[in-house]
Amino acid sequence: NAGVTQTPKFRILKIGQSMTLQCTQDMNHNYMYWYRQDPGMGLKLIYYSVGAGITDKGEVPNGYNVSRSTTEDFPLRLELAAPSQTSVYFCASSYHQGGYEQYFGPGTRLTVT
Amino acid sequence: KQEVTQIPAALSVPEGENLVLNCSFTDSAIYNLQWFRQDPGKGLTSLLLIQSSQREQTSGRLNASLDKSSGRSTLYIAASQPGDSATYLCAVITQGGSEKLVFGKGTKLTVNP
Repeated sequence: NAGVTQTPKFRILKIGQSMTLQCTQDMNHNYMYWYRQDPGMGLKLIYYSVGAGITDKGEVPNGYNVSRSTTEDFPLRLELAAPSQTSVYFCASSYHQGGYEQYFGPGTRLTVT
Repeated sequence: KQEVTQIPAALSVPEGENLVLNCSFTDSAIYNLQWFRQDPGKGLTSLLLIQSSQREQTSGRLNASLDKSSGRSTLYIAASQPGDSATYLCAVITQGGSEKLVFGKGTKLTVNP
């Protein structure tokens, strides 16, 4: 199993541009998550999904959108990129609710200038 | 609102020393607690997962304990090695909290040869 994969690894955007961060997991996990990590600030949840077709907001959803058309994929869309969205983005997945272990992808480092 | 604190923020030790990293959380109603390792510019690697009903978990030179009632966990690293140098993150899943992990800001560990 490849686990959780993310693309791209790095990206530089100009203010106002849009992009989609891709996330795929091959572990047949129901739950998927997007976190962002800012320097010295820990990770914060952006959006999460409990299964195909179901998504919900996390702690910091503004400026982002998600969709979950399949169990495997959970893309994160940035519309009208802003410097405040410069961060490292991590996708994660877990089998079910009730505190199952979460597995993380390698991250996407995004810079908005 | 669940808050996770890790002390110290940074730690430097000589090779071979045993060390303890601390994690505290404000809401004791958790499903589990996870310890992660993060190398510079890399993703998160899960080290240990302790369910709320458990008191400790061990993996090799690592031992994590959980005292849910007092809101504390420790990660004990025995016979530290330079390869242990990384940032260690503690995170909890709170019951009724959308299954999201709430992270501490991490402890940056440096093991000097």
